[in-house]
Amino acid sequence: EVQLVESGGGLVQPGGSLSLSCSASGFILSTSAMHWVRQAPGKGLEYVSAIRISGGSTYYADSVKGRFTISTDNSKNTLYLQMSSVRPEDTAVYYCLKWDVGSGWCWGQGTLVTVSS
Amino acid sequence: DIQMTQSPSSLSASVGDRVTITCRASQGISSYLAWFQQKPGKAPKSLIYAASSLQSGVPSKFSGSGSGTDFTLTISSLQPEDFATYYCQQYNSYPLTFGGGTTVEIK
Repeated sequence: EVQLVESGGGLVQPGGSLSLSCSASGFILSTSAMHWVRQAPGKGLEYVSAIRISGGSTYYADSVKGRFTISTDNSKNTLYLQMSSVRPEDTAVYYCLKWDVGSGWCWGQGTLVTVSS
Repeated sequence: DIQMTQSPSSLSASVGDRVTITCRASQGISSYLAWFQQKPGKAPKSLIYAASSLQSGVPSKFSGSGSGTDFTLTISSLQPEDFATYYCQQYNSYPLTFGGGTTVEIK
């Protein structure tokens, strides 16, 4: 069974850094495209970042470009989102997603990031 | 960026009703369209991908149709567990974008 488990969320001060992890099981991370999506409290879904594991090409939303970095550790089958220079508007639940052309989309349960002093 | 417009933004319906939600893309996205269901405090759940392919384990009362710019999600007979917010998403091009959501409430 495919499973995605996010961790690393918490309270961080404006301007600070935080690293989110997404542990994958039931499939090999290196064969999939992986994504991060966030949802601010009471708001809709916002696309954040993507990585194509084969080839390693990445994508970032304008709102996080230059501040967030997506990466993987294939030996740990884990996806990461390194967040730096965080702002109050980065406060959200962060979800990792797996896309597969044969089976569609799979979501993790999310991890809450709160940016506040 | 491709804009995704869902309508209605909310609706009230009764158990047993047939419900249709529409999603319009600002430009053609072929069939690269997904539908998700989200209940309060929970992660979104995938229902449909490739506009009309049912995600594994999703009941057949959910169906999707459309291509190009106009898409629909239909729930054939609404049940209590279906009251939730539904989102469409295009994955034709980056940035992947979501509709604003449709909240289905109990009448």
